[in-house]
Amino acid sequence: DAGITQSPRHKVTETGTPVTLRCHQTENHRYMYWYRQDPGHGLRLIHYSYGVKDTDKGEVSDGYSVSRSKTEDFLLTLESATSSQTSVYFCAISPSEPGEPNEQFFGPGTRLTVL
Amino acid sequence: GQQLNQSPQSMFIQEGEDVSMNCTSSSIFNTWLWYKQDPGEGPVLLIALYKAGELTSNGRLTAQFGITRKDSFLNISASIPSDVGIYFCAGQEYRDDKIIFGKGTRLHILP
Repeated sequence: DAGITQSPRHKVTETGTPVTLRCHQTENHRYMYWYRQDPGHGLRLIHYSYGVKDTDKGEVSDGYSVSRSKTEDFLLTLESATSSQTSVYFCAISPSEPGEPNEQFFGPGTRLTVL
Repeated sequence: GQQLNQSPQSMFIQEGEDVSMNCTSSSIFNTWLWYKQDPGEGPVLLIALYKAGELTSNGRLTAQFGITRKDSFLNISASIPSDVGIYFCAGQEYRDDKIIFGKGTRLHILP
């Protein structure tokens, strides 16, 4: 299994509070991704990173920010959580280099509930 | 944005039956991936396909990269109870560093 962990695994928070989710890898891979999974929508990309301090937006980036100050850590922040951000969040990593097939390997997920 | 159409949305089958599911895209893909997700866990990569016409097996699973490069198929032979879960296809366009997911096929196996 790819060395990828997510923390916390479960979180309940209140509307308007900031929340940070952490993804940690031990594989030294360049690419890291954050997805959210909701019934009826499958997996949707929030943000991704192609190196330290290099990030880009995905399909559903509004209300989220990311940071990658080290190769092994990719943080997802909900600046002011809303109920619509209740979801299961998955981190993924990829060993590919630019232009190569982008096989991604997923972490165990974080279940976030915003009340 | 780009979307993948995955069908069927769900399937109810008897143990021992064969299963087929597919994904279609309006764009040409250079890579097709198939994942399985068990309840409460992250998706796990089953099969990766890299060129048109390619047929790849992983145990009882066989996947094909469509000749038009706009579709892919996954077959499961002689299904067993542990095959239950959600199967996702994903595609990657040329030189893109992202993949796009289908909405999944939920497989149920009747006792």
